[in-house]
Amino acid sequence: EIVLTQSPGTLSLSPGERATLSCRASQGVSSRALAWYQQKPGQPPRLLIYGASTRATAIPDRFSGSGSGTDFTLTISRLEPEDFALYYCQQYGISARTFGQGTKVEIK
Amino acid sequence: QVELVQSGGEVMKPGASVKVSCKASGYTFVSYGISWVRQAPGQGLEWMGWISPYNDNTKYAQKFQGRVTMTTDTSTNTAYMELRSLGSDDTAVYYCARDRVQWLVDAFDIWGQGTMVTVSS
Repeated sequence: EIVLTQSPGTLSLSPGERATLSCRASQGVSSRALAWYQQKPGQPPRLLIYGASTRATAIPDRFSGSGSGTDFTLTISRLEPEDFALYYCQQYGISARTFGQGTKVEIK
Repeated sequence: QVELVQSGGEVMKPGASVKVSCKASGYTFVSYGISWVRQAPGQGLEWMGWISPYNDNTKYAQKFQGRVTMTTDTSTNTAYMELRSLGSDDTAVYYCARDRVQWLVDAFDIWGQGTMVTVSS
């Protein structure tokens, strides 16, 4: 099983600031099979990024993903009020898929 | 539109089994894999397993092997997840989610609304 470790656990920022979220895998993630999801209270997760760097349908371009191998990053260039939420990374490179434990982006 | 609609919340006794349904619409059901993901209160997301509606191939997370069964009914475009021998730590919201790409293991682009399962004596 690939273990994903996200950091930091909580990110306290102001609207307009840049957010950088990290996801580190315990072994290499094949074919950049890494996704990022956003989750707000009481809602299911929403797919933001797949293939490590491709934005999903209707996702604003302030969201970007990068990385390969074991180190991946989600960047939100300028935080909007609706971006304060939980973010999870997930690997799907092997059939036993796993999620990171999440990063909370909160208003400072 | 493409949608997954899950069954309603359940309250179960310890030791019982629960079966949650996930009805798909708006796409060709057999072409996309379905996973089940759960989220305990205040906790993160936990992948439980995957099923192909095309041939009922399954892959379960090791943690749930022997205690979970995932099935599909292609006549009604519905996926099911049954979890047995429930304990209090199975109290969670259970989601179904669709693979983004036909015939491939991929990220989840469509999610059900979630089903709350509460295990309590």
